[in-house]
Amino acid sequence: KAGVTQTPRYLIKTRGQQVTLSCSPISGHRSVSWYQQTPGQGLQFLFEYFSETQRNKGNFPGRFSGRQFSNSRSEMNVSTLELGDSALYLCASRLTPGTGNTGELFFGEGSRLTVL
Amino acid sequence: GQNIDQPTEMTATEGAIVQINCTYQTSGFNGLFWYQQHAGEAPTFLSYNVLDGLEEKGRFSSFLSRSKGYSYLLLKELQMKDSASYLCAVPVTGGFKTIFGAGTRLFVKA
Repeated sequence: KAGVTQTPRYLIKTRGQQVTLSCSPISGHRSVSWYQQTPGQGLQFLFEYFSETQRNKGNFPGRFSGRQFSNSRSEMNVSTLELGDSALYLCASRLTPGTGNTGELFFGEGSRLTVL
Repeated sequence: GQNIDQPTEMTATEGAIVQINCTYQTSGFNGLFWYQQHAGEAPTFLSYNVLDGLEEKGRFSSFLSRSKGYSYLLLKELQMKDSASYLCAVPVTGGFKTIFGAGTRLFVKA
């Protein structure tokens, strides 16, 4: 079974630009969540989607947005990029917690964004 | 609010045992996860505890005390490849959000 796939793996943008990151979850996983990882802050929760609806959102400005498609694939968008947005953006998918599964997160390799 | 605390760094010797602690404050409780993350790689699932006590899985064990808001990850017979960050994580009550501690960087020396 293929793992979580994120594209692009690396990208460089300049301040003020916008970026779109893509995530394909493991087949059968309907929940997709996004995290920002920086050396000083660890993994910070951005949002989680289930059945094409944003179910929860972290403490990030409105410049950070996302969506989920009917095939569970997800995208996140950051507009008006700032230097501080430079980070590793991780996507994770999971089964809905329930009988027989813990709901652990399966992470992709991440998209490393550098803002100049 | 929700908060998770773990030590920033630890160093241990190959072949030894190391215990990585995690304390958490949450409103409600739906279990606690440990993940391992090697430098430059994605985090991977290690263990899950929802009831008090010790869960053993090979060289790795995880302990939970819900009354104390405390967990630890125990790594036995340390190997060089265990050098990584270990992340403690708690799902938020109501679902659809998991918060992570800042992670503990473990250095295993020969």
